[in-house]
Amino acid sequence: NAGVTQTPKFQVLKTGQSMTLQCAQDMNHEYMSWYRQDPGMGLRLIHYSVGAGITDQGEVPNGYNVSRSTTEDFPLRLLSAAPSQTSVYFCASSSGTANEKLFFGSGTQLSVL
Amino acid sequence: GESVGLHLPTLSVQEGDNSIINCAYSNSASDYFIWYKQESGKGPQFIIDIRSNMDKRQGQRVTVLLNKTVKHLSLQIAATQPGDSAVYFCAEMGTDSWGKLQFGAGTQVVVTP
Repeated sequence: NAGVTQTPKFQVLKTGQSMTLQCAQDMNHEYMSWYRQDPGMGLRLIHYSVGAGITDQGEVPNGYNVSRSTTEDFPLRLLSAAPSQTSVYFCASSSGTANEKLFFGSGTQLSVL
Repeated sequence: GESVGLHLPTLSVQEGDNSIINCAYSNSASDYFIWYKQESGKGPQFIIDIRSNMDKRQGQRVTVLLNKTVKHLSLQIAATQPGDSAVYFCAEMGTDSWGKLQFGAGTQVVVTP
C-alpha cells in the first residue's frame, strides 16, 4: 500500500520558472491538502480539496494553484516561482470530509534561486 | 489572531523516562485536537487525537490530555525510547475553521541513553 506519494523529492528552480508538484493517494480518500513547512513555523495550509472538482484556499494560497480532477490526484502548481516559496511541501489526505487523521507524503524539498 | 503554540521548543529526555509535551491554544472554538510525530526527512505521522467532549485519551504508550478551561493540550509518552526522538506537533481544528487544521511550531524531543 503506497499511501500518499509525492514527486519529485527535490527540486531547484530559478525565479519566475513554473512547475507542478505531484501528489497521488491510493486510499480512496476524499480529502486532500497541501502544506508548506518552514523552519520554526510548523505546517501551514496552502490549499485543500474535499472531493473531486472541489478546491478551497488555506492559510497561504497566494502564488499557488490546485485542481482536483480525480479522487487520486491533487497537483500543486507554482506559476512563477519566487524565493519566498523555498520550503518543504507536504501533501496529505484523509478519509473524512475534513482533515482529521491526515496521512502525509514524504515531502518535496523546493529551492527557488 | 488565534494560534496554536508550544511551551518548549526542545525537550531532552532520558531513555526509559516519561515525556510530557505541552501545547497551548487560543481558539475557543477549537473542538478537535491531534498530535503528530515527524522524524527527520519524513512527513508527519499521526499519533493520537481527541475531541473536545473528552479530557483524556490513551493509545499505545501515549496519552493525550485536554484541559479546555485553560486551553491546554499535552502529550505524554511512557517509557521513552530512542525511536521517540522526533519533532512533535500539536494541531487543532475548530467549528469556525472546518477543514483547516492549524499546526503549532513543534517541539523537538531528544532521547538520551
